[in-house]
Amino acid sequence: SYELTQPPSVSVSPGQTARITCSGDALPKKYAYWYQQKSGQAPVLVIYEDYKRPSGIPERLSGSRSGTMATLTISGAQVEDEADYYCYSTDTRGNLERVFGGGTTLTVL
Amino acid sequence: QVQLQESGPGLVKPSETLSLTCTVSGVSVTDSYWSWIRQSPGKGLEWIGYVSYTGSTDYNPSLKNRVTISSDTSKNQLSLQLTFVTAADTAVYYCAKEYGDYVSDNWFDPWGQGTLVTVSS
Repeated sequence: SYELTQPPSVSVSPGQTARITCSGDALPKKYAYWYQQKSGQAPVLVIYEDYKRPSGIPERLSGSRSGTMATLTISGAQVEDEADYYCYSTDTRGNLERVFGGGTTLTVL
Repeated sequence: QVQLQESGPGLVKPSETLSLTCTVSGVSVTDSYWSWIRQSPGKGLEWIGYVSYTGSTDYNPSLKNRVTISSDTSKNQLSLQLTFVTAADTAVYYCAKEYGDYVSDNWFDPWGQGTLVTVSS
C-alpha cells in the first residue's frame, strides 16, 4: 500500500522557520494537503492543493510541492503553532487510496 | 456552516460490533462524499472508508472485511459498523466531509470532534 513519510519531530525556537517534509512516490502527480492537530482536538485543514490556505489560516503557514516531496513551512513559528502536523494525499493506482503521513510533532520553545 | 457530530458507545467488548453515528448539519449527506477516520491513542490517522452521495462505498483494504459504512438521508446521518473488534480497534473515531472531484483528488474538511471508543471486556 501507498505510504507518505514524515519526520517524527521538528523543533524550533519562537520566531524561527520550521519546515516539515512529506515524501511519497505519487506526489509528482498528486496534490498534498496538511492538517494541524492540537492536543485533544480534531485535525484542522491548514493547506490544500499544495499551497492554498483555507480562510482563517495564518499567512505564516505555507505549502509547496516538488517531485516526490511536499513541504509545510511555518515562517516565524509561534508557541501556538505547537501541534502534530499530518500530510495527506492519494495514490495513483486503482481506486483513490486515501493516505495520511505518520505525523510530525512540532515543538516551539 | 457544515458541522459533524459523532455519537455511540464509548466501550465495546472484544469480538463484538462497534457502531457509531455521525449527525451532519448545514448540508445534505446527498451532496458529498463522507469518510470515517480513526486515530489510535498516541498514533497517527487512519482512513477507514467513505460513503458517497449515491450510497456507494469504498474501504481501507486493511479493514475491508470488517467494516460497513452507510448513510441515512432521512436523518442526514452517517453510520459506521466495525465487526469483531479487538483492543487494536481502540481509537478516536472521526467523521469528515470530503472535497474534491472524488476521482483524481480529494481531501477532508471539516471533521467532527471525534469520539473515543475503547475495546475492553
